[in-house]
Amino acid sequence: NAGVMQNPRHLVRRRGQEARLRCSPMKGHSHVYWYRQLPEEGLKFMVYLQKENIIDESGMPKERFSAEFPKEGPSILRIQQVVRGDSAAYFCASSPGGGLYEQYFGPGTRLTVT
Amino acid sequence: GQQLNQSPQSMFIQEGEDVSMNCTSSSIFNTWLWYKQDPGEGPVLLIALYKAGELTSNGRLTAQFGITRKDSFLNISASIPSDVGIYFCAGLGAQGAQKLVFGQGTRLTINP
Repeated sequence: NAGVMQNPRHLVRRRGQEARLRCSPMKGHSHVYWYRQLPEEGLKFMVYLQKENIIDESGMPKERFSAEFPKEGPSILRIQQVVRGDSAAYFCASSPGGGLYEQYFGPGTRLTVT
Repeated sequence: GQQLNQSPQSMFIQEGEDVSMNCTSSSIFNTWLWYKQDPGEGPVLLIALYKAGELTSNGRLTAQFGITRKDSFLNISASIPSDVGIYFCAGLGAQGAQKLVFGQGTRLTINP
């Protein structure tokens, strides 16, 4: 399966812990995006990355949230000191770049903060 | 920021009926994408539109990029049970911008 892969699919954290969400883009895709979805709502853009570069993080909260897409390995969305309001579904998408703007989504990570 | 207004929010139809939904915005978008999301899953891309006035089909689905570039429509013909789900429109705004702006979704329910 050459689709976007995310893990874990479900993650439970206590308040104050750290959450790490991983995303492997589709083969041949060099652009990665992270979105957050609250229940009964549409997806909200968080951050756009290319290999080793953050291109647009305008949707990312200024504190506790960070993202990276290293030269080797998956993209990581990291949430430090999680709070209940961080509970949501986090989706990763990828696109090939080069003027092709279609974004393909992974199955998501559902984060629950207790 | 840019916003998309998607309507209707929900639809209850009989199997075999045609479905129409739309997205509007006060801002211009250069690309429109339509996605379907099933419970517990990620959005699946249905149709991509790149030119104002463009009409594109994918099986029983047809989508149009409005000529004003501020709206888009999705039609589903002869609905079947597997069409049940939430449909989202998404737009890309400024030239080269990569962040998708999503509508609130249309929840489609089909009575057999």
